[in-house]
Amino acid sequence: QLRMQESGPGLVKPSETLSLTCSVSGGSISGSPHFWDLIRQPPGKGLEWIGGVHFSGTSSSNPSLKSRITMSVDTSKNQFSLNLTSVTAADTAVYYCVRRCCFFDSGSYPNWFDPWGQGTLVTVSS
Amino acid sequence: QSALTQPRSVSGSPGQSVTISCTGTSSDVGGYVYVSWYQQHPGKVPRLLIYDVRLRPSGVPDRFSASKSGDTASLTISGLQAEDEADYYCCSYAGSYSVLFGGGTKVTVL
Repeated sequence: QLRMQESGPGLVKPSETLSLTCSVSGGSISGSPHFWDLIRQPPGKGLEWIGGVHFSGTSSSNPSLKSRITMSVDTSKNQFSLNLTSVTAADTAVYYCVRRCCFFDSGSYPNWFDPWGQGTLVTVSS
Repeated sequence: QSALTQPRSVSGSPGQSVTISCTGTSSDVGGYVYVSWYQQHPGKVPRLLIYDVRLRPSGVPDRFSASKSGDTASLTISGLQAEDEADYYCCSYAGSYSVLFGGGTKVTVL
């Protein structure tokens, strides 16, 4: 059974960079027809898609966050990562690692998320 | 990109049916047959309920059904049960390998 575990700082200071890593177990990122994504949920609010990456390097991100996001995949460690720069209090949220199905070629429409990691709360505060 | 539009809340008595709408545009809901729905109980991780507009993963009760017409997708819960009280989110493919979520709907079982 595929599982994902988020690891992050818990607390980040305003204007700094949030770095979060998702470790995948029970399956391999390499060769998988999936995107590997981050979704966040501010306290008491709804879900917001951040972005995703395929092992081939194909990636996509939320236009509202695109200028601050870098996503990468490390197939040797079976991990994918997010860097979010210049954070503010508005970036305080539970961050979820999720697998998105399915990406076979450029004509694919990866669109649904399963499974989800347990989530990790990241607070932006001085 | 603006979030897909969902009603903030819907409610129903046990045994009744409720329907949640999810309205987008021709660039997302109306342009693709790729809408998914998620259920989230308080303090829990979201769970996939529906994918590709109307398909249910194994383990999801057939009380949950969904459809799409034009720019609006809908999720119907039939035979409402107390355990269905939760937040529900729609999500649509939105082009260029991106997706868009709805703002969420709180379902209350009266």
